[in-house]
Formats: sequence, C-alpha cells, structure tokens
Amino acid sequence: EPEVTQTPSHQVTQMGQEVILRCVPISNHLYFYWYRQILGQKVEFLVSFYNNEISEKSEIFDDQFSVERPDGSNFTLKIRSTKLEDSAMYFCASKRTTDTIYFGEGSWLTVV
Amino acid sequence: AQSVAQPEDQVNVAEGNPLTVKCTYSVSGNPYLFWYVQYPNRGLQFLLKYITGDNLVKGSYGFEAEFNKSQTSFHLKKPSALVSDSALYFCAVRFAYGGATNKLIFGTGTLLAVQP
Repeated sequence: EPEVTQTPSHQVTQMGQEVILRCVPISNHLYFYWYRQILGQKVEFLVSFYNNEISEKSEIFDDQFSVERPDGSNFTLKIRSTKLEDSAMYFCASKRTTDTIYFGEGSWLTVV
Repeated sequence: AQSVAQPEDQVNVAEGNPLTVKCTYSVSGNPYLFWYVQYPNRGLQFLLKYITGDNLVKGSYGFEAEFNKSQTSFHLKKPSALVSDSALYFCAVRFAYGGATNKLIFGTGTLLAVQP
C-alpha cells in the first residue's frame, strides 16, 4: 500500500540552526500538508500546499518556516533558525482528490 | 469557530468488552469527520471517515463510528476490544466545502488502554 515517507525520523539540532525535514508524498497525490505535534499535545496544522503554492498556513507558520516542492516527488519543510519551542514531531501528509488525508510516520525534531 | 472535543483523556476497558471513544464537534455547515490512531512512536493511521450517507461507518481493525447530527457527535466504537487496540486515538473534522486546503482540525486525543 502506498505511503507517505519522511526523513529523518529523528533529528537533534542546536538552537539557531537551520533544519530541513523531507517528505515523499504518495505519488499521485495533489495536496500536501505539514502538521506538528508538541509532546503531549494535539496535532496542529501548519501549512497546506497545492498547485505549487501555499494554499493556507496557520499562525504557527511564521517567516521562519518555508515549504518547497523542488521536484516531482519531494516536499520539504525548512525551519531557518530553530527555537527550543520548535521541538516537536512533524508530520507530512498528502491527499489526492478524495477526502482522506494520509500521514507519514513523522520526524522528531529536538532543539537543544 | 471550528473545534473538536474529546472529553476523555483516557479510556480503560477490559479485553473482550465493548469500547467507546467519544468525540463531539463544532463546525458550521456539514462536517467531514475522521478518526486516526497513533501507536507509540508511530505516525497517524487513518481508521475511518464520515462524509455523507449512512450514519454508521465501518473502518479498519473492526472499528466503527456513528455520526449523530443532532448531538454533533462522532463516537468511535468497537464491539470487542483487543489489547493491541491500545493506542492514542484522534478525532478530526474539516469543512465539507470545495477548496484547495481542506485542513483537518484535531481533537486532543484519547488514550485507549485495554487490559488483558
């Protein structure tokens, strides 16, 4: 069964460093998302991406965040200058035109 | 404002007994409702969804959920719990409108603990 894959599974970075989280959505999907889950808290929407542009972003997704689909398969989330409060599990997700959004296994980001 | 509530942080049930994980929502218009499960250190797995039609929807691993419009609820159920069902369960909702975003709004999650 096709699935969303994410790398790395876990990354530790120093505060102020740039981080890039990578995702390969399901191949025929058209809508792409990033969500995050701070430890012990609920899953929060960050950004959605469709037709090569951001279609919606949350208040969390400030200027330190960016997304890119550099080729036909990858979808990346970049955090320019990480803060301690960026420590979380980051989930990539995708959907085609059906209603179900499928999630990856997540990337744990720890900022120290 | 759109919101989803899962009133129970944890549900404990004995193996073989029926289980219910509660979810209520607040959204204008017609909702699309989803349940996802998260096993320890894993991602979110889709369980089932309600879009339209029959209020009782069946999903993976023997789970089902009933959409109740008057009570704005979408409780997750299973007739006979298994120890392997122990996990974190998330209810999610989104607007039933056409659009590029269709983001999901998640509840806070309910930890299901099934005792052998």
